[in-house]
Amino acid sequence: KQEVTQIPAALSVPEGENLVLNCSFTDSAIYNLQWFRQDPGKGLTSLLLIQSSQREQTSGRLNASLDKSSGRSTLYIAASQPGDSATYLCAVEGSGSRLTFGEGTQLTVNP
Amino acid sequence: GAVVSQHPSRVICKSGTSVKIECRSLDFQATTMFWYRQFPKQSLMLMATSNEGSKATYEQGVEKDKFLINHASLTLSTLTVTSAHPEDSSFYICSASPPGGATLHEQFFGPGTRLTVL
Repeated sequence: KQEVTQIPAALSVPEGENLVLNCSFTDSAIYNLQWFRQDPGKGLTSLLLIQSSQREQTSGRLNASLDKSSGRSTLYIAASQPGDSATYLCAVEGSGSRLTFGEGTQLTVNP
Repeated sequence: GAVVSQHPSRVICKSGTSVKIECRSLDFQATTMFWYRQFPKQSLMLMATSNEGSKATYEQGVEKDKFLINHASLTLSTLTVTSAHPEDSSFYICSASPPGGATLHEQFFGPGTRLTVL
């Protein structure tokens, strides 16, 4: 059974700092890995999707990497802003298009 | 972009009643929809996969007689929580895949429905 772990569970940083969120998964047989953002009481916003054959994806200040063999992914956020404050979820897709989510990292960026 | 809506966004009901939640794909046809549940401070857990015109596939531990799923059209799936109890209080989120989307591994998420059972 796939298990996804995210570290740290919570992170508080001053505005402008670069930061890294970590995600690990136990079964490397995945189709892709996605990073999502979730604001309190809201649904999910897809940030980046990395196919299993890819090693990284970039969008603006966000960069996500994937090391499928070691079961790890990182989300790098450059020059963090207060508007980046949210919970960041990592999810891997396995058979049957099933997504397995980690428990998230709650990020607070302080002005 | 692909938009998925849910209705209602919030519902409060008494214990023992049934609650229906709708998930709609607004600008695409969804052959497959997924229902997730999220308890406070926890992550999303897949409950079931809903395929248009066929029975839903439930994850282990999810009671199919309690959580009724109907995917009657290519733009609508409904989740009915029957005889709801306080422990069913949760955030329910659906996602949808456009044609080919399940192959392309794209899912688009709705905004979620907060269910509170008193």
